[in-house]
Amino acid sequence: DTEVTQTPKHLVMGMTNKKSLKCEQHMGHRAMYWYKQKAKKPPELMFVYSYEKLSINESVPSRFSPECPNSSLLNLHLHALQPEDSALYLCASSQFYTDTQYFGPGTRLTVL
Amino acid sequence: SQQGEEDPQALSIQEGENATMNCSYKTSINNLQWYRQNSGRGLVHLILIRSNEREKHSGRLRVTLDTSKKSSSLLITASRAADTASYFCATDGYSNTGNQFYFGTGTSLTVIP
Repeated sequence: DTEVTQTPKHLVMGMTNKKSLKCEQHMGHRAMYWYKQKAKKPPELMFVYSYEKLSINESVPSRFSPECPNSSLLNLHLHALQPEDSALYLCASSQFYTDTQYFGPGTRLTVL
Repeated sequence: SQQGEEDPQALSIQEGENATMNCSYKTSINNLQWYRQNSGRGLVHLILIRSNEREKHSGRLRVTLDTSKKSSSLLITASRAADTASYFCATDGYSNTGNQFYFGTGTSLTVIP
């Protein structure tokens, strides 16, 4: 199974809402990533978990809170987002950090 | 901030022609990877080339790496309409905070049937 799944596919939320994005992989990968991608731009790395520990946080605002409950799951908790946070949020996993990454299809987030 | 710059930003060719896109980066790297992204979808890994390799092939793809110039190129031969996508290079490089992984700015390829 070489698939990374993400739910939901689309999410619309208000600035006062709390929501979560979910990502799952069953490839035994030990590194998992969250990226944010705006239209016509490259993905921007947000967080990296390596062996279920947060190893990289690219100065992301605290309204984004990652969580890695186990080696197969990665969550991104969202709270008090701004309209400029609207973007495609991509999850990826790799055997080890900076190895070949397998991407999920993304969650299209709209903040009203 | 991003490590890689790609050119051209956009490329439009006829089906059957070859497409070449280039990536330049700033720091020493362990490896360089190329990914493809169809519109609004997840990225798909194409090829990985290590810093001690100069050229790599995979099907219709040919990647070169010149570490002295800190640049790489991706050649797609005999292009097809299905190759229409954005292509990104990604580098695993060294910085003063440790290893960092960055995507380049991307090349948007359109293959006209």
